Amino acid sequence: EVQLVESGGGLVQPGRSLRLSCAASGFTFDDYAMYWVRQPPGKGLEWVSGINWKSGKMVYADSVKGRFTISRDNAKKSLYLEMNSLRPEDTGLYYCARDAIAGRPVYFYYMDVWGKGTSVTVSS
Amino acid sequence: EIVMTQSPATLSVSPGERATLSCRASQSVSSNLAWYQHKPGQAPRLLIYGASTRATGVAARFTGSGSGTEFTLTITSLQSEDFAVYYCQQYDNWPPLTFGGGTKVDIK
Repeated sequence: EVQLVESGGGLVQPGRSLRLSCAASGFTFDDYAMYWVRQPPGKGLEWVSGINWKSGKMVYADSVKGRFTISRDNAKKSLYLEMNSLRPEDTGLYYCARDAIAGRPVYFYYMDVWGKGTSVTVSS
Repeated sequence: EIVMTQSPATLSVSPGERATLSCRASQSVSSNLAWYQHKPGQAPRLLIYGASTRATGVAARFTGSGSGTEFTLTITSLQSEDFAVYYCQQYDNWPPLTFGGGTKVDIK
């Protein structure tokens, strides 16, 4: 079964750091680009970051650029999001998602597999 | 950045009726548009990609149409399991990949 399971969320004070992880199973992880997408409480989906299959290209939303770092370990079939200088507006449910296009594409597309999310709360 | 605008924000529909959801892009995204269904407590689900191609396992009552800047998701004969929030997402020009604000389809 194709599956993504996020972990690492929690309550953190403003200005502190947190590292999210996403464990993939059931598919050839290094064939796909991967993403983080978040949902603030009561709001819609917001794309956060994406990384291509070999970590050669990482892209970020302006709201997190310079504070968040996406990475992956293909040997461990894992995706990560290092979040620094956290702000209250970073609060939300963070989803890990797989790009729908297999075969190590150059570009980013849309998401066909999603995890159930891990919750991040930034508050003093 | 391409801004995606969905309307209406909420759509109240009776079971068995038709729902028509709109998504507008601030500039042309060609046919590089996807639709997702999202229910509370669940992972979002891909419904449509390429503006009109149904994803694997998606019921035929879901139809996507449009190109350029105007897109529509039509759900014919709404079933109880279709009441959810629906999002469009463009992947023509990035970063960023952008989602619309969502349309909540609820029971009338």
